[in-house]
Amino acid sequence: SAVISQKPSRDICQRGTSLTIQCQVDSQVTMMFWYRQQPGQSLTLIATANQGSEATYESGFVIDKFPISRPNLTFSTLTVSNMSPEDSSIYLCSVFHNPNEQFFGPGTRLTVL
Amino acid sequence: QQQVKQSPQSLIVQKGGISIINCAYENTAFDYFPWYQQFPGKGPALLIAIRPDVSEKKEGRFTISFNKSAKQFSLHIMDSQPGDSATYFCAATPNSGGYQKVTFGTGTKLQVIP
Repeated sequence: SAVISQKPSRDICQRGTSLTIQCQVDSQVTMMFWYRQQPGQSLTLIATANQGSEATYESGFVIDKFPISRPNLTFSTLTVSNMSPEDSSIYLCSVFHNPNEQFFGPGTRLTVL
Repeated sequence: QQQVKQSPQSLIVQKGGISIINCAYENTAFDYFPWYQQFPGKGPALLIAIRPDVSEKKEGRFTISFNKSAKQFSLHIMDSQPGDSATYFCAATPNSGGYQKVTFGTGTKLQVIP
Protein backbone atom coordinates (compact mmCIF):
# COMPACT_ATOMS: atom_id res chain seq x y z
CA SER A 1 0.00 0.00 0.00
CA ALA A 2 0.96 3.66 -0.09
CA VAL A 3 0.47 6.22 2.65
CA ILE A 4 -0.02 9.78 1.45
CA SER A 5 -0.02 12.93 3.54
CA GLN A 6 -1.07 16.39 2.46
CA LYS A 7 -0.49 19.83 3.91
CA PRO A 8 -2.42 21.89 4.71
CA SER A 9 -5.53 19.88 5.50
CA ARG A 10 -7.66 22.96 5.00
CA ASP A 11 -7.29 26.67 4.41
CA ILE A 12 -9.36 29.76 3.92
CA CYS A 13 -7.82 32.21 1.47
CA GLN A 14 -8.57 35.60 0.04
CA ARG A 15 -9.38 36.15 -3.61
CA GLY A 16 -6.28 36.88 -5.70
CA THR A 17 -3.82 35.06 -3.47
CA SER A 18 -2.07 31.73 -4.07
CA LEU A 19 -1.86 28.55 -2.02
CA THR A 20 0.68 25.76 -2.32
CA ILE A 21 -0.41 22.28 -1.34
CA GLN A 22 2.18 19.68 -0.43
CA CYS A 23 1.93 15.95 -1.01
CA GLN A 24 4.28 13.40 0.56
CA VAL A 25 4.24 9.67 -0.23
CA ASP A 26 5.88 7.00 1.92
CA SER A 27 7.39 5.21 -1.09
CA GLN A 28 8.99 6.18 -4.37
CA VAL A 29 6.56 6.48 -7.27
CA THR A 30 7.05 7.46 -10.87
CA MET A 31 3.86 9.43 -11.29
CA MET A 32 1.80 11.50 -8.89
CA PHE A 33 -1.64 12.78 -9.71
CA TRP A 34 -3.56 15.85 -8.62
CA TYR A 35 -7.35 15.84 -8.54
CA ARG A 36 -10.01 18.40 -7.76
CA GLN A 37 -13.25 17.42 -6.07
CA GLN A 38 -15.82 20.18 -5.96
CA PRO A 39 -18.47 19.96 -3.24
CA GLY A 40 -20.74 16.96 -3.82
CA GLN A 41 -19.04 16.21 -7.12
CA SER A 42 -16.84 13.51 -8.55
CA LEU A 43 -13.07 13.60 -8.97
CA THR A 44 -11.54 15.54 -11.84
CA LEU A 45 -7.92 14.98 -12.79
CA ILE A 46 -5.96 18.23 -12.94
CA ALA A 47 -2.54 16.97 -13.96
CA THR A 48 0.00 14.18 -13.81
CA ALA A 49 3.39 14.95 -12.28
CA ASN A 50 6.47 13.00 -13.31
CA GLN A 51 9.75 13.49 -11.54
CA GLY A 52 12.22 15.35 -13.74
CA SER A 53 9.79 16.53 -16.38
CA GLU A 54 6.97 19.00 -16.91
CA ALA A 55 3.59 18.05 -15.56
CA THR A 56 0.93 16.96 -18.03
CA TYR A 57 -2.30 18.93 -17.68
CA GLU A 58 -5.81 17.80 -18.50
CA SER A 59 -8.15 19.79 -20.68
CA GLY A 60 -9.36 22.87 -18.87
CA PHE A 61 -6.35 23.15 -16.57
CA VAL A 62 -3.27 25.24 -17.32
CA ILE A 63 0.17 25.52 -15.81
CA ASP A 64 -0.14 29.23 -15.08
CA LYS A 65 -3.14 28.58 -12.85
CA PHE A 66 -1.97 25.28 -11.31
CA PRO A 67 1.84 25.11 -11.35
CA ILE A 68 3.19 21.79 -10.13
CA SER A 69 6.58 20.83 -8.81
CA ARG A 70 7.98 17.31 -8.53
CA PRO A 71 11.46 17.59 -7.04
CA ASN A 72 11.84 13.90 -6.15
CA LEU A 73 10.06 10.54 -6.25
CA THR A 74 8.15 10.99 -2.99
CA PHE A 75 7.04 14.62 -3.05
CA SER A 76 5.00 17.03 -5.13
CA THR A 77 3.36 20.41 -4.75
CA LEU A 78 0.35 21.95 -6.44
CA THR A 79 -0.12 25.70 -6.36
CA VAL A 80 -3.52 27.25 -6.92
CA SER A 81 -2.72 30.71 -8.26
CA ASN A 82 -4.69 33.95 -8.30
CA MET A 83 -7.56 32.25 -6.54
CA SER A 84 -11.22 33.01 -7.01
CA PRO A 85 -14.24 31.61 -5.15
CA GLU A 86 -14.67 29.10 -8.02
CA ASP A 87 -11.44 27.46 -6.89
CA SER A 88 -13.06 26.46 -3.59
CA SER A 89 -12.74 22.71 -3.64
CA ILE A 90 -11.01 19.70 -2.19
CA TYR A 91 -7.63 19.02 -3.80
CA LEU A 92 -6.40 15.44 -3.67
CA CYS A 93 -3.02 13.91 -4.34
CA SER A 94 -2.95 10.33 -5.63
CA VAL A 95 -0.53 7.58 -6.62
CA PHE A 96 -0.82 4.12 -8.10
CA HIS A 97 0.56 0.97 -6.59
CA ASN A 98 0.63 -2.63 -7.81
CA PRO A 99 -0.12 -1.27 -10.62
CA ASN A 100 -3.87 -0.60 -10.69
CA GLU A 101 -4.47 0.11 -7.04
CA GLN A 102 -4.97 3.84 -6.61
CA PHE A 103 -4.35 5.58 -3.31
CA PHE A 104 -5.46 9.06 -2.36
CA GLY A 105 -4.25 11.52 0.19
CA PRO A 106 -6.68 12.92 2.77
CA GLY A 107 -7.25 16.03 0.68
CA THR A 108 -6.84 19.76 1.18
CA ARG A 109 -10.11 21.61 1.65
CA LEU A 110 -9.76 25.09 0.17
CA THR A 111 -12.23 27.90 0.69
CA VAL A 112 -11.70 31.13 -1.24
CA LEU A 113 -13.49 34.22 0.00
CA GLN B 1 -17.78 7.35 -24.53
CA GLN B 2 -15.47 7.87 -21.59
CA GLN B 3 -18.33 8.40 -19.14
CA VAL B 4 -19.26 6.16 -16.29
CA LYS B 5 -22.84 6.77 -15.23
CA GLN B 6 -23.64 6.10 -11.57
CA SER B 7 -26.97 5.89 -9.80
CA PRO B 8 -28.59 6.71 -7.49
CA GLN B 9 -27.11 10.03 -6.45
CA SER B 10 -28.15 9.38 -2.87
CA LEU B 11 -29.46 6.40 -0.97
CA ILE B 12 -30.99 5.87 2.46
CA VAL B 13 -31.03 2.32 3.81
CA GLN B 14 -32.15 0.87 7.11
CA LYS B 15 -29.53 -0.85 9.23
CA GLY B 16 -29.33 -4.49 8.20
CA GLY B 17 -30.67 -3.81 4.73
CA ILE B 18 -28.98 -4.17 1.35
CA SER B 19 -27.50 -1.12 -0.35
CA ILE B 20 -27.24 -1.31 -4.13
CA ILE B 21 -25.37 1.18 -6.30
CA ASN B 22 -25.28 0.85 -10.07
CA CYS B 23 -22.84 1.96 -12.74
CA ALA B 24 -22.89 1.75 -16.52
CA TYR B 25 -20.21 2.41 -19.09
CA GLU B 26 -19.84 2.65 -22.86
CA ASN B 27 -16.15 2.19 -23.53
CA THR B 28 -15.53 -1.51 -24.19
CA ALA B 29 -11.80 -0.94 -23.65
CA PHE B 30 -12.43 -0.59 -19.91
CA ASP B 31 -11.19 -3.72 -18.19
CA TYR B 32 -10.74 -2.83 -14.53
CA PHE B 33 -13.59 -1.59 -12.37
CA PRO B 34 -12.82 -0.41 -8.81
CA TRP B 35 -15.13 0.99 -6.19
CA TYR B 36 -14.02 3.66 -3.76
CA GLN B 37 -15.43 4.63 -0.38
CA GLN B 38 -15.02 8.18 0.86
CA PHE B 39 -15.84 9.39 4.35
CA PRO B 40 -16.30 13.11 5.02
CA GLY B 41 -12.97 14.87 5.33
CA LYS B 42 -11.05 11.92 3.92
CA GLY B 43 -9.72 10.91 0.54
CA PRO B 44 -11.35 8.05 -1.38
CA ALA B 45 -10.15 4.58 -0.40
CA LEU B 46 -10.22 1.51 -2.61
CA LEU B 47 -12.98 -0.81 -1.42
CA ILE B 48 -13.17 -3.62 -3.95
CA ALA B 49 -12.43 -4.09 -7.65
CA ILE B 50 -13.32 -6.50 -10.44
CA ARG B 51 -12.09 -7.44 -13.86
CA PRO B 52 -14.52 -8.45 -16.65
CA ASP B 53 -13.44 -12.08 -16.72
CA VAL B 54 -15.60 -12.76 -13.65
CA SER B 55 -19.25 -11.93 -13.04
CA GLU B 56 -19.04 -11.47 -9.29
CA LYS B 57 -16.53 -10.71 -6.59
CA LYS B 58 -17.24 -10.79 -2.90
CA GLU B 59 -15.22 -9.40 -0.01
CA GLY B 60 -16.99 -9.63 3.30
CA ARG B 61 -20.27 -7.73 3.11
CA PHE B 62 -19.30 -6.07 -0.18
CA THR B 63 -20.04 -7.69 -3.55
CA ILE B 64 -19.50 -6.44 -7.08
CA SER B 65 -21.76 -7.87 -9.76
CA PHE B 66 -20.56 -7.44 -13.32
CA ASN B 67 -22.58 -7.81 -16.53
CA LYS B 68 -20.21 -7.53 -19.45
CA SER B 69 -22.84 -7.78 -22.19
CA ALA B 70 -24.91 -4.99 -20.62
CA LYS B 71 -21.79 -2.97 -19.72
CA GLN B 72 -23.05 -2.56 -16.19
CA PHE B 73 -21.67 -3.26 -12.76
CA SER B 74 -23.03 -2.77 -9.31
CA LEU B 75 -21.98 -2.70 -5.69
CA HIS B 76 -24.05 -4.54 -3.11
CA ILE B 77 -23.53 -3.89 0.58
CA MET B 78 -25.15 -6.64 2.62
CA ASP B 79 -26.27 -6.10 6.21
CA SER B 80 -25.63 -2.37 5.84
CA GLN B 81 -24.35 -0.64 8.97
CA PRO B 82 -24.32 3.02 10.06
CA GLY B 83 -20.53 2.89 9.70
CA ASP B 84 -21.03 2.27 5.98
CA SER B 85 -22.48 5.77 5.61
CA ALA B 86 -20.15 7.40 3.10
CA THR B 87 -19.93 8.43 -0.53
CA TYR B 88 -19.20 5.62 -2.97
CA PHE B 89 -17.60 6.09 -6.36
CA CYS B 90 -17.40 3.54 -9.12
CA ALA B 91 -14.59 3.86 -11.64
CA ALA B 92 -13.24 2.28 -14.78
CA THR B 93 -9.85 2.11 -16.42
CA PRO B 94 -8.89 0.72 -19.82
CA ASN B 95 -5.72 -1.14 -18.99
CA SER B 96 -5.06 -4.08 -16.72
CA GLY B 97 -1.36 -3.48 -16.40
CA GLY B 98 0.12 -0.12 -15.66
CA TYR B 99 -1.41 3.27 -15.25
CA GLN B 100 -4.19 4.44 -17.48
CA LYS B 101 -6.52 7.36 -16.95
CA VAL B 102 -9.28 6.47 -14.53
CA THR B 103 -12.85 7.55 -15.22
CA PHE B 104 -14.92 8.07 -12.07
CA GLY B 105 -18.65 7.91 -11.62
CA THR B 106 -20.49 10.84 -10.10
CA GLY B 107 -20.76 9.31 -6.65
CA THR B 108 -23.54 7.98 -4.41
CA LYS B 109 -24.04 9.33 -0.94
CA LEU B 110 -25.19 6.45 1.26
CA GLN B 111 -26.83 6.98 4.60
CA VAL B 112 -27.56 3.94 6.77
CA ILE B 113 -30.05 4.76 9.48
CA PRO B 114 -30.34 2.77 12.73
